[in-house]
Amino acid sequence: GESVGLHLPTLSVQEGDNSIINCAYSNSASDYFIWYKQESGKGPQFIIDIRSNMDKRQGQRVTVLLNKTVKHLSLQIAATQPGDSAVYFCAENHSGSWGKLQFGAGTQVVVTP
Amino acid sequence: SQTIHQWPATLVQPVGSPLSLECTVEGTSNPNLYWYRQAAGRGLQLLFYSVGIGQISSEVPQNLSASRPQDRQFILSSKKLLLSDSGFYLCAWSEQNTIYFGEGSWLTVV
Repeated sequence: GESVGLHLPTLSVQEGDNSIINCAYSNSASDYFIWYKQESGKGPQFIIDIRSNMDKRQGQRVTVLLNKTVKHLSLQIAATQPGDSAVYFCAENHSGSWGKLQFGAGTQVVVTP
Repeated sequence: SQTIHQWPATLVQPVGSPLSLECTVEGTSNPNLYWYRQAAGRGLQLLFYSVGIGQISSEVPQNLSASRPQDRQFILSSKKLLLSDSGFYLCAWSEQNTIYFGEGSWLTVV
């Protein structure tokens, strides 16, 4: 079936370095993608989104890249800080599924001093 | 601004007991509402979604049910809990495509 998945279950990053979290999706009809951050014991927080008519979008210290050719999504975090330690989920949907996001399994980001 | 409240935050329930988790959204009208479950170390699974009062769609067969008695209220229930119902339950809302989550409710069935 259609699925969204992450390549790396755990990513260890040194404080101050840039982080890159990857995500693959298989539904070619997907046209909207979101990255969420989930800290321990809390609900997921919206970070950034991107529509399929774009290949890059920037936020505060974060950049999302979308490669529709290979169905790949990535989240880049600049100058990673200890507060960035969390599980990061990518999610996708398409206009036909209307708001019913499909989530990947998540990547644990650990920021080391 | 919109806010979402979910309670209780934590509960421990015996097998066979009933369940009621409540969620309310403020600052918006006619939101789409969702219940997700997250097992430990796993991704999020959509359980129910609602596009309006009394309109509930179930995504997976299970021991749970949902109701939407008011526009901004969403309730997750069970008549008899199973051990497998343990997990982290998240209420969420959306107006367009982006879904915003509450803080979650930890349920442990013992």
